[in-house]
Amino acid sequence: NAGVMQNPRHLVRRRGQEARLRCSPMKGHSHVYWYRQLPEEGLKFMVYLQKENIIDESGMPKERFSAEFPKEGPSILRIQQVVRGDSAAYFCASSPRAPGTGGQETQYFGPGTRLLVL
Amino acid sequence: LAKTTQPISMDSYEGQEVNITCSHNNIATNDYITWYQQFPSQGPRFIIQGYKTKVTNEVASLFIPADRKSSTLSLPRVSLSDTAVYYCLVGMYSGGGADGLTFGKGTHLIIQP
Repeated sequence: NAGVMQNPRHLVRRRGQEARLRCSPMKGHSHVYWYRQLPEEGLKFMVYLQKENIIDESGMPKERFSAEFPKEGPSILRIQQVVRGDSAAYFCASSPRAPGTGGQETQYFGPGTRLLVL
Repeated sequence: LAKTTQPISMDSYEGQEVNITCSHNNIATNDYITWYQQFPSQGPRFIIQGYKTKVTNEVASLFIPADRKSSTLSLPRVSLSDTAVYYCLVGMYSGGGADGLTFGKGTHLIIQP
């Protein structure tokens, strides 16, 4: 069973361009979480999605950032008009069940996408 | 207000047992305690999860006192490859969104020969 896959692993963008990050959850997992990690910092929650629904985007910046998890295909984190402060590692995690449905759910993390904005 | 508090860094030597304690004074009744390990340039990896008393798996043990306001991750006989950042999380996603899922800075564990 393949783990969580993210691509690209590294992404370089110039200021003002768009960055599109992809996450394929583990097989059978329909719950996806996105996190951002700045150098020397811990991971910060951005958004929680289920198939075709955004459940919680309270950690997502209000502008330029959006996320989706379509019925078919990977989850996408999109950053429009990137700025240097967007440079970070972006991690995706997946879980098989919704939180609170019979216990705490372990999240399985992907290897991350390292975004560098020049 | 931080949901968990853990030491910023710890040092130990190969073959020793390492205990990392996490404080979570505001833990809710339904919250579980989860520990993750992260190596540089990799995503966090699940280590262990517990609710109360003691949990043990092939990698570590987790000790949780009766009041559940703290927990201790115990790594037996560490090796150089255990050098990593260890995160303590309480509640995972319990509807708290950003507050419930911020990992914090974790504990940088450095193992020396």
